[in-house]
Amino acid sequence: EDQVTQSPEALRLQEGESSSLNCSYTVSGLRGLFWYRQDPGKGPEFLFTLYSAGEEKEKERLKATLTKKESFLHITAPKPEDSATYLCAVWETSGSRLTFGEGTQLTVNP
Amino acid sequence: ETGVTQSPTHLIKTRGQQVTLRCSSQSGHNTVSWYQQALGQGPQFIFQYYREEENGRGNFPPRFSGLQFPNYSSELNVNALELDDSALYLCASSIGLAGSYNEQFFGPGTRLTVL
Repeated sequence: EDQVTQSPEALRLQEGESSSLNCSYTVSGLRGLFWYRQDPGKGPEFLFTLYSAGEEKEKERLKATLTKKESFLHITAPKPEDSATYLCAVWETSGSRLTFGEGTQLTVNP
Repeated sequence: ETGVTQSPTHLIKTRGQQVTLRCSSQSGHNTVSWYQQALGQGPQFIFQYYREEENGRGNFPPRFSGLQFPNYSSELNVNALELDDSALYLCASSIGLAGSYNEQFFGPGTRLTVL
C-alpha cells in the first residue's frame, strides 16, 4: 500500500531562518508528487507538481525538489505569512487516487 | 473565473441520518475528486468523477456515494452517518483525463459534525 510520510510534524522558525520540510514516499511507481499549502479552515492551495527525480520547481521563497524516495520543500528566509500546514501528495502510476501525507505545520515567528 | 465552491459551509447531523454535500467545479474543469479530512490529518481520497462516471475509489464503504452532473458539478452522499464521519469534506476540480490529478483546485470544504 502507498505510504506518504511527512516530517517534522510541526516546525517553528524565526523570520528569516531557512529550513526544509521532508516528504518520503513508498509507491510502486510515481506518476507525480504534489505540494499544497493549507491555511486553517480553508482548502489546500496548489503549489507545485514534480514528475521525475532530479526535478526542481521554485516559487518565491519556496523550492521543491524530488528524488526517487523523497521530496523536500525548502523555505528560504521565511516570513510570518508563510505560516501554514504544508501537505505533500503522491499520484501512483497503477492507481487512480491521490495519497496525502499528514502535513507539516509551519509557524514563522516575527 | 469562478473558483471551486461548496455548500453548505457547516452541517450538523445525528447518527444514522443521511447527508448530501455539493460542489461546483471551477469553470472548464471536467474532473472532480472528493476528500475527507479529519482534524489534524491530511486529506483522504474518497473517489473521483470524470465525465459523470466514478473513476477510482479510496478505502471508503459503499454508504459513501457520489454523482457528477453534465455541468461538472458534483454531490457527495453519505448514508447511515456514524460519529467518525465528522470531518471536513473537500472537493477538488481539475482538467484532465480519467485518473488525472494535475493541479487540482480545492474548495473551502464543508464541515460536517455528527452527533
